[in-house]
Amino acid sequence: SQTIHQWPATLVQPVGSPLSLECTVEGTSNPNLYWYRQAAGRGLQLLFYSVGIGQISSEVPQNLSASRPQDRQFILSSKKLLLSDSGFYLCAWRGYMDRGGFGAFFGQGTRLTVV
Amino acid sequence: RKEVEQDPGPFNVPEGATVAFNCTYSNSASQSFFWYRQDCRKEPKLLMSVYSSGNEDGRFTAQLNRASQYISLLIRDSKLSDSATYLCVAFQGYSSASKIIFGSGTRLSIRP
Repeated sequence: SQTIHQWPATLVQPVGSPLSLECTVEGTSNPNLYWYRQAAGRGLQLLFYSVGIGQISSEVPQNLSASRPQDRQFILSSKKLLLSDSGFYLCAWRGYMDRGGFGAFFGQGTRLTVV
Repeated sequence: RKEVEQDPGPFNVPEGATVAFNCTYSNSASQSFFWYRQDCRKEPKLLMSVYSSGNEDGRFTAQLNRASQYISLLIRDSKLSDSATYLCVAFQGYSSASKIIFGSGTRLSIRP
């Protein structure tokens, strides 16, 4: 069965520090992968999506970048965090799940606080 | 204009009531539609797909009107456990390279 792993669950980082969030998917091949950010009390903002290794589409110009070094691995990075980067970061894959039909399925998210 | 728009609510209704959420989308390239549920401080979870012919799952009914670019979700006999934020979602594009766009969500609170 398909699973998506995202870590860490919680992160507190100082302004100006680097960031690396990792997401991996198991049980499927060549998935479409997505990074979203959700500010407190707000909706999900699509940051990046990827249809394959090394293929990244950026939706919003910002202080973040994404990479896909392996088929089932999607990484979100920043060289220098800003206070405005705080939020709930969610990774998702799109496809058919053995239990749950077709759709987008999310990892448990990383709650990032930049201080 | 947002690509997927929802009434943010909050909707505060008594247990047992019927509640309806609406959603509109602006991009005609949107092909597939879904409703998601998000509990506080949790990741969104797929609730149901939305079809032009309508889709019913127990107390939940979803409907798509492509001509009006309008999506709805109806919850009958609401339960306390239905309290959550409901997100309207559009998959854009015909190929596998499709963006997934979320509405900002409608908050629902069921009171005893």
